[in-house]
Amino acid sequence: DTGVSQNPRHKITKRGQNVTFRCDPISEHNRLYWYRQTLGQGPEFLTYFQNEAQLEKSRLLSDRFSAERPKGSFSTLEIQRTEQGDSAMYLCASSLDRWSSGNTIYFGEGSWLTVV
Amino acid sequence: AQTVTQSQPEMSVQEAETVTLSCTYDTSESDYYLFWYKQPPSRQMILVIRQEAYKQQNATENRFSVNFQKAAKSFSLKISDSQLGDAAMYFCAYRSALTGGGNKLTFGTGTQLKVEL
Repeated sequence: DTGVSQNPRHKITKRGQNVTFRCDPISEHNRLYWYRQTLGQGPEFLTYFQNEAQLEKSRLLSDRFSAERPKGSFSTLEIQRTEQGDSAMYLCASSLDRWSSGNTIYFGEGSWLTVV
Repeated sequence: AQTVTQSQPEMSVQEAETVTLSCTYDTSESDYYLFWYKQPPSRQMILVIRQEAYKQQNATENRFSVNFQKAAKSFSLKISDSQLGDAAMYFCAYRSALTGGGNKLTFGTGTQLKVEL
């Protein structure tokens, strides 16, 4: 078990370009979460998957953002037509079903996005 | 909606001393979970300790313990025998235990802990 893995760790992109981040959760974790964290703030919830189904989306997730989790394993977060306000760290996390393992959510190291 | 407040942006502690980080939260729910996460410069969020609201006993994990006051909606973290490796940003977080509401963590703004020699 290598923990939650995210890549790329850092991405610099020009405004208007599309970017995609990948997350590989802890094996056997059926729940996967995306959070966004800006400097000086705590992480903010973006979206959540139970297996391959996207069950909850924050209103922070604008139409330019799309997340997928095909086959219920890894997940991708795509941001289209990036804006400078999208600059942040994007954290992925995973957990087992809420009724097991004490509901502990484990985080990856995050993917830094800088939009210039 | 639930809110989590950490009123101490920064705290300092001498190595081997004890420090307490404060956290308050607001909720109308009776069943929930509270967490302290540590985020070192590497940026990975690491779970430090968790507390179930239905448990009266305060959680402890080695040098880390909490003071959970449900009526006051207070959840402080005590770090004993502080070590240099404890230096990090500490986040308090809330998670609902309700069906359909337990899928996300709500975080505070964090407390930066500095450990001095």
